[in-house]
Amino acid sequence: GQQLNQSPQSMFIQEGEDVSMNCTSSSIFNTWLWYKQDPGEGPVLLIALYKAGELTSNGRLTAQFGITRKDSFLNISASIPSDVGIYFCAWGGGADGLTFGKGTHLIIQP
Amino acid sequence: DTGVSQNPRHKITKRGQNVTFRCDPISEHNRLYWYRQTLGQGPEFLTYFQNEAQLEKSRLLSDRFSAERPKGSFSTLEIQRTEQGDSAMYLCASSARNTPDTQYFGPGTRLTVL
Repeated sequence: GQQLNQSPQSMFIQEGEDVSMNCTSSSIFNTWLWYKQDPGEGPVLLIALYKAGELTSNGRLTAQFGITRKDSFLNISASIPSDVGIYFCAWGGGADGLTFGKGTHLIIQP
Repeated sequence: DTGVSQNPRHKITKRGQNVTFRCDPISEHNRLYWYRQTLGQGPEFLTYFQNEAQLEKSRLLSDRFSAERPKGSFSTLEIQRTEQGDSAMYLCASSARNTPDTQYFGPGTRLTVL
């Protein structure tokens, strides 16, 4: 089956630092999505990517769809306390819903 | 701007009971999805509807799980004869016709089976 690897599993950073996380796959995907989930809530869509090589920003967030269509990264610049949460990458490519990575836990130390 | 809503937000039930959850998608979205999420994992796809048609249901976890979307608007997910292993967060998402993979999630229903 298709493998979706997300790393790192967790990150402990200082407020104000930049953050980078990525996802890689064994298959070619048509769409990459990045979500953030707070405890007890549903995932919130941050960025959607549709084309290989596409680079998209949303405020302090930047994500790229890898040129090989097998990877994507998410960067957060100048982290703030409300960035704490779990970040998921997901891919979509058809009628089988989205496939999610295992998530990256972002913890910000004051 | 109303997003996806789900009710109830929390449900505690005893093993063997039936439970039903409701999802109201974003009004102009024709696709509706159900996912399950267990602790420490990402959401896991269960089933989806395009309008009132259920186009994929082979990923439902067992025959105790069923979903309906009778008028192509809201949807319900029912679990019969609940088991402790059914305890999880059940998430609903919806998407528009021209961007089916761009899915917006509701807040989820947390199910606890005692």
